Amino acid sequence: IAGITQAPTSQILAAGRRMTLRCTQDMRHNAMYWYRQDLGLGLRLIHYSNTAGTTGKGEVPDGYSVSRANTDDFPLTLASAVPSQTSVYFCASSGDGNQPQHFGDGTRLSIL
Amino acid sequence: GEDVEQSLFLSVREGDSSVINCTYTDSSSTYLYWYKQEPGAGLQLLTYIFSNMDMKQDQRLTVLLNKKDKHLSLRIADTQTGDSAIYFCAESKPGNTGKLIFGQGTTLQVKP
Repeated sequence: IAGITQAPTSQILAAGRRMTLRCTQDMRHNAMYWYRQDLGLGLRLIHYSNTAGTTGKGEVPDGYSVSRANTDDFPLTLASAVPSQTSVYFCASSGDGNQPQHFGDGTRLSIL
Repeated sequence: GEDVEQSLFLSVREGDSSVINCTYTDSSSTYLYWYKQEPGAGLQLLTYIFSNMDMKQDQRLTVLLNKKDKHLSLRIADTQTGDSAIYFCAESKPGNTGKLIFGQGTTLQVKP
């Protein structure tokens, strides 16, 4: 089934640990995005990539890094997790920047 | 500035119409979107409207855009219990960046 796959679905992590959230899409979309969702704040953009090989900073990029080595994969890395990064993380993709974004089911991350 | 505002909660009876409202501040927005999020799930694209349109209808959904007042609404006709969810409006920025600015979400409760 075509779509976006995120892994893991949930994770509990000790503060200070490194963590990579995985995102893969099979729709051959050029653009991919990472959001975090926090209660009362809606979704906020962390990083984005308009095409393979390029990335850009969103609204809340600090503490996160991304890479886009190929079209399908867009991993998000927390180099040293902190409790304020406890959130639900959503990956999304779109054909290009003018097309609707389609979302994965999210990763629920708790930092203790 | 970039700001999208929604009321946080709406309660309706099954069979009634629901109207979810959204205001935005950036007049240069190109597309405006409505997403639906059910508990524990990702965001599902419901519908979207280009900024030069006033209205779009898709089965039970009607989107109205008042660009002068920067007001967007989503009307759900014959609301069903399965429509209970959080509804997010989002605006896209021009320039093919694909960045979306989300509102905080409106929780729709449908009573039998």
